[in-house]
Amino acid sequence: DTAVSQTPKYLVTQMGNDKSIKCEQNLGHDTMYWYKQDSKKFLKIMFSYNNKELIINETVPNRFSPKSPDKAHLNLHINSLELGDSAVYFCASSQGRGMGYTFGSGTRLTVV
Amino acid sequence: ILNVEQSPQSLHVQEGDSTNFTCSFPSSNFYALHWYRWETAKSPEALFVMTLNGDEKKKGRISATLNTKEGYSYLYIKGSQPEDSATYLCAFRLYSGGGADGLTFGKGTHLIIQP
Repeated sequence: DTAVSQTPKYLVTQMGNDKSIKCEQNLGHDTMYWYKQDSKKFLKIMFSYNNKELIINETVPNRFSPKSPDKAHLNLHINSLELGDSAVYFCASSQGRGMGYTFGSGTRLTVV
Repeated sequence: ILNVEQSPQSLHVQEGDSTNFTCSFPSSNFYALHWYRWETAKSPEALFVMTLNGDEKKKGRISATLNTKEGYSYLYIKGSQPEDSATYLCAFRLYSGGGADGLTFGKGTHLIIQP
């Protein structure tokens, strides 16, 4: 029944590794997003994606890349992980101008 | 860079009292203004989405207003209850002609209701 699900919930990995976080939504929404919650609890947009366009926040390093195998999935790939990548990452989806976003439960990434 | 400001940053309110807080956002290229409720260890949950100047929305004891010309929105909570304790986020969506733009969030107002 979960509307937006992210896996894993926790991820601990070493610097330099490559990792992925998966996101799936069963709401039929057209647009999916990735947000990063920084150390000050601030949510910042990383990517917005629908089947027509990908919008990338210019501050996001190119080590981060979204991959969408289909409309219901938007996975986040991170190459060469750095200590500063440690954060909570939230996936979300939406449909149309007048609807709120539905967020996943977040993935806490810790780079050691 | 879009600036979405929320005030106050935190607020302690006595149970039963009413309260309100503010979100200010750019007044140009407005598309939508969202309010979310974010409880600790949970995900942000949508409260309201407002798209027209003068919009007022209500859900139970919580309501919100929107002024797009001057770039502000108020969230009101009437008769605060302990379960209202949470961080309240506002988020601005810019009109850019595309369909995939994300929200720019404020830093939130952390509300604590004291019994």
